[in-house]
Amino acid sequence: DTGVSQDPRHKITKRGQNVTFRCDPISEHNRLYWYRQTLGQGPEFLTYFQNEAQLEKSRLLSDRFSAERPKGSFSTLEIQRTEQGDSAMYLCASSATGTGGLSEQYFGPGTRLTVT
Amino acid sequence: AQTVTQSQPEMSVQEAETVTLSCTYDTSESDYYLFWYKQPPSRQMILVIRQEAYKQQNATENRFSVNFQKAAKSFSLKISDSQLGDAAMYFCAYRSAGYGGSQGNLIFGKGTKLSVKP
Repeated sequence: DTGVSQDPRHKITKRGQNVTFRCDPISEHNRLYWYRQTLGQGPEFLTYFQNEAQLEKSRLLSDRFSAERPKGSFSTLEIQRTEQGDSAMYLCASSATGTGGLSEQYFGPGTRLTVT
Repeated sequence: AQTVTQSQPEMSVQEAETVTLSCTYDTSESDYYLFWYKQPPSRQMILVIRQEAYKQQNATENRFSVNFQKAAKSFSLKISDSQLGDAAMYFCAYRSAGYGGSQGNLIFGKGTKLSVKP
């Protein structure tokens, strides 16, 4: 297993354009999390999935943001009509659930979004 | 709501010396987990050490150890015999105890940038 992967690693877009990011979690992990990290800050929770179900969304996730996880495998995060304030690192993490509770979260390398 | 505070934006340590990074948190929960994550420049975040709140014994992982003071809501990280590869951002994080339906997301502090001088 190669860990959590994210694509693309960097994205530069113009204000108003739509962007989509992809996350491939560790294969046996049923939980997938999205976080946003701005410069000088720690990551902030955006949303999470258990299998294909999106169970929670942060208030940070405006209506312009949508996330999916079809078939409970990879996930996509789409931002519509991007704004300069969306510039950030978008991190994906995955973990497993079991009888012992939640396992650790393993992070991907992130997608750095720059909105010009 | 839970919060995590890291009061040291930057720290510096001489190679082979020991450094302690501070973290305090606020919660009304009695069962939770605390973590230290390391984020090297342009590289992904990795888990350094984890502490279960119900355990009184401080966690240790090789050169990394924590001082967990539950009553004081303090969770500091000690790095012994510092190495050049330890240079990174270090984030303290909190997670509620996760059992099945728990959300399980991490709550992070703002981080401490650690520099290691040769």
